[in-house]
Amino acid sequence: GDSVTQMEGPVTLSEEAFLTINCTYTATGYPSLFWYVQYPGEGLQLLLKATKADDKGSNKGFEATYRKETTSFHLEKGSVQVSDSAVYFCALSHSGNTPLVFGKGTRLSVIA
Amino acid sequence: GAVVSQHPSRVICKSGTSVKIECRSLDFQATTMFWYRQFPKQSLMLMATSNEGSKATYEQGVEKDKFLINHASLTLSTLTVTSAHPEDSSFYICSARDPNEKLFFGSGTQLSVL
Repeated sequence: GDSVTQMEGPVTLSEEAFLTINCTYTATGYPSLFWYVQYPGEGLQLLLKATKADDKGSNKGFEATYRKETTSFHLEKGSVQVSDSAVYFCALSHSGNTPLVFGKGTRLSVIA
Repeated sequence: GAVVSQHPSRVICKSGTSVKIECRSLDFQATTMFWYRQFPKQSLMLMATSNEGSKATYEQGVEKDKFLINHASLTLSTLTVTSAHPEDSSFYICSARDPNEKLFFGSGTQLSVL
């Protein structure tokens, strides 16, 4: 079945550091790929998505590119802030009618 | 943006008791809601898909008699963990799909069964 693998956390970075959270997937066909973020005490929120190969999703300074050849969707940000501290989930879905398949989540802590 | 309210956020109960978790879509009608569970260091795993007015569809390995799901209205779904045991201790989270097929998540419920 479909699965998503993302790097183990926690990840601790200093403010303004470069962030990469790796995500790879196993799926049939061409799923849509997502990054969700969960801030403390809140629900998961969609951060960005990409629906086809070579698409780049971006939001709030975060980016991720759908790489079909490496089945990856790594999350990057050039300069993290303390307010980016949260848990990040990589996920995939085949269509709007199918539920999301999630990775384990990666906790990011950014220190000033 | 759309909001999904999930309560309680944390619950501690004795073994053998039942616990009800509520998931409400506050500003949209959700014909479909999903319930997920996450054990420590594991992925969020889909437990069941709940459609308003019909029986929930459970994923393989999820006991429907233990995890009762009711989706009685377009804005409310409940998950009841019946006769909870320590192995049911987990993080439970719901999500609701709006008419545009966007998904919105609750903030989750941490269940601890003593």
